[in-house]
Amino acid sequence: QVQLQESGPGLVKPSETLSLTCTVSGGSIRSYYWTWMRQSPGKGLDWIGYFYYTGNTNYNPSLKRRVTISVDTFKNQFSLELRSVTAADTAVYYCARGSPGRSDAFDIWGQGTMVTVSS
Amino acid sequence: QSALTQPPSVSGSPGQSVTISCTGTSSDVGSYHRVSWYQQPPGTAPKLMIYEVSNRPSGVPDRFSGSKSDNTASLTISGLQAEDEGDYYCSSHTSSSTVVFGGGTKLTVL
Repeated sequence: QVQLQESGPGLVKPSETLSLTCTVSGGSIRSYYWTWMRQSPGKGLDWIGYFYYTGNTNYNPSLKRRVTISVDTFKNQFSLELRSVTAADTAVYYCARGSPGRSDAFDIWGQGTMVTVSS
Repeated sequence: QSALTQPPSVSGSPGQSVTISCTGTSSDVGSYHRVSWYQQPPGTAPKLMIYEVSNRPSGVPDRFSGSKSDNTASLTISGLQAEDEGDYYCSSHTSSSTVVFGGGTKLTVL
């Protein structure tokens, strides 16, 4: 049974870089669309972007200039880097897997990790 | 990309049916058969309930059904149960090959 687990700092200073890792257990990271999403406190879900195992990526246009998603196949992990953060980036960050062959339906999610941007 | 439009809240009594709407545009919901629905109980990660408008993943009860007409998709929950309470989100593929979510709907079982 595939499981995802996010990890990374819970507190990031304004203007710095938010870095999170998602570890995939119980299955291979090869294939599938590996995706990051976030949810600001009391708000809805935002799609951040994905990394497809072929190397293709796609990002939310509003975050594109600041985001990079990458995959480490040897460690079975994928990562999120969000640069120049502000308080508006405070959110619960989720990693998720696109259901087989799909980039837009997410069948397995991590539990989420809260990241606060504050000095 | 603008968020899809959902009603902030819906409610129903046990055993009844409720429908949650999700309105987009011709750049997302209206042009693709790729609408998904997620259930999110408080403090937990979302769970996929419907994909590609009307398909249920394994393990999702057939009380949950989805449909679409033009730019509006709908999730219907029949035979409402207390465990169905939570927030529900729709999402859609877009013309930019990105994903856009709705603002969420809080379902209360009376």
